[in-house]
Amino acid sequence: EAGVAQSPRYKIIEKRQSVAFWCNPISGHATLYWYQQILGQGPKLLIQFQNNGVVDDSQLPKDRFSAERLKGVDSTLKIQPAKLEDSAVYLCASSLESDRAPIYEQYFGPGTRLTVT
Amino acid sequence: KQEVTQIPAALSVPEGENLVLNCSFTDSAIYNLQWFRQDPGKGLTSLLLIQSSQREQTSGRLNASLDKSSGRSTLYIAASQPGDSATYLCAVSKLDSNYQLIWGAGTKLIIKP
Repeated sequence: EAGVAQSPRYKIIEKRQSVAFWCNPISGHATLYWYQQILGQGPKLLIQFQNNGVVDDSQLPKDRFSAERLKGVDSTLKIQPAKLEDSAVYLCASSLESDRAPIYEQYFGPGTRLTVT
Repeated sequence: KQEVTQIPAALSVPEGENLVLNCSFTDSAIYNLQWFRQDPGKGLTSLLLIQSSQREQTSGRLNASLDKSSGRSTLYIAASQPGDSATYLCAVSKLDSNYQLIWGAGTKLIIKP
C-alpha cells in the first residue's frame, strides 16, 4: 500500500512570494489533514477535510493561506504572500474511518520544508 | 482545553539501556493516544496507538501504557540502539473535536554508541 505522498520536499522562497504544496493521501482515506510544524514544536492543525468538504479550518490564517480538495482525493495548500514566520515543515496526513475501523489513526507524508528568506 | 506535555524535552543515554519517555494530558476524556517517531527532515511515523479502553500496546522493543485517570502515558524502549535516536511525540484525540490530535512538543532522544 502506497503511503501519503507530498511534493515538493523542499522549497526556498523570498517573503511576499507565493508557494503551493501538494498532497496525495492513501487510497481510500476520506479524511485529509494539513499541519504546520515549527522547529521544536508539535504539529499544528491548519485544516481538516472529510472527502471534499472542510471539517475544520479554524487555525488556518485565511488572509494568506488557502487549501482545496476539489475531487475528494488529492489536495493543495497555498500561501500567498509568504512571511518569514511561515518557515516550517508542512505535513499532510490522512486517515480511514468506517463502521468497521473507527480508529482515526493518522498516517503522515514526508513533509515539505519551507524556508522563507 | 486539552494540553499535552512531554518531559524531558531531550534525553541522552548509552546504547543498551532501557528507557521511559513520558507524556501527560490534562483532560482524561480522550478517544485514543498515539506515539510517533520523527527523524530529522522526515515526516512522522506512527509507532503505537492505544484506544481509550486499552491499558497498553506493544510492538517489538516498544511498549506504551495508558492511565487515563491520571492523564499519563509512557513509552518504554527496551535495549536501546543508536537507530532509536529520533524525536518522539505523543498526541491525544478527543471525541468532541472531530478526533483531531492534540500534540506534545516531543522528546529528542539520543542513543550514544
